[in-house]
Amino acid sequence: GNSVTQMEGPVTLSEEAFLTINCTYTATGYPSLFWYVQYPGEGLQLLLKATKADDKGSNKGFEATYRKETTSFHLEKGSVQVSDSAVYFCALRGSGAGSYQLTFGKGTKLSVIP
Amino acid sequence: EADIYQTPRYLVIGTGKKITLECSQTMGHDKMYWYQQDPGMELHLIHYSYGVNSTEKGDLSSESTVSRIRTEHFPLTLESARPSHTSQYLCASTDGSSGNTIYFGEGSWLTVV
Repeated sequence: GNSVTQMEGPVTLSEEAFLTINCTYTATGYPSLFWYVQYPGEGLQLLLKATKADDKGSNKGFEATYRKETTSFHLEKGSVQVSDSAVYFCALRGSGAGSYQLTFGKGTKLSVIP
Repeated sequence: EADIYQTPRYLVIGTGKKITLECSQTMGHDKMYWYQQDPGMELHLIHYSYGVNSTEKGDLSSESTVSRIRTEHFPLTLESARPSHTSQYLCASTDGSSGNTIYFGEGSWLTVV
């Protein structure tokens, strides 16, 4: 079955530091890949997505590239801000018939300190 | 911007009470989901529906039940709440192909005392 493994947290960075959160996946076919963000006390918001190999998703300074050869979708940001403090979830949605569900990683909590 | 709404956002109730968490979406999505999020943040799918009068149990066994009488509405009910049901419950919806985004509501925080 499908699975997602992401970097365990928590991660604490200083403001303006470079961020990488690793995410690798196992899936058959050609899944779509997503990063969701959850701010304190809120639901999940889509941060970015990529639907095919070599696609790069980007939003709010965050980027992730769909690497089929390494089955990875690592999240990066060049300069984090305090407002980026949140929990980040990597997820995939399969490509087969009836693939209407998301498989999530366990989440990585990011804290950015001034 | 996702048009999916959950009520109540926060609820504290006593053991043994019946509660219903409401979820509505105005996007015409046929597929809806309920996730339970534990304190360690991990998300577990507890129910899903692919259309009216269609409901299925998810990966995590749950004592809650759901119904899908209208496309836009997917309520979750606990007949007799227990402290072990204390959690955050997230509703989501989508349509179409695998590349389509699944949208989440803001969540319902349930505390059973």
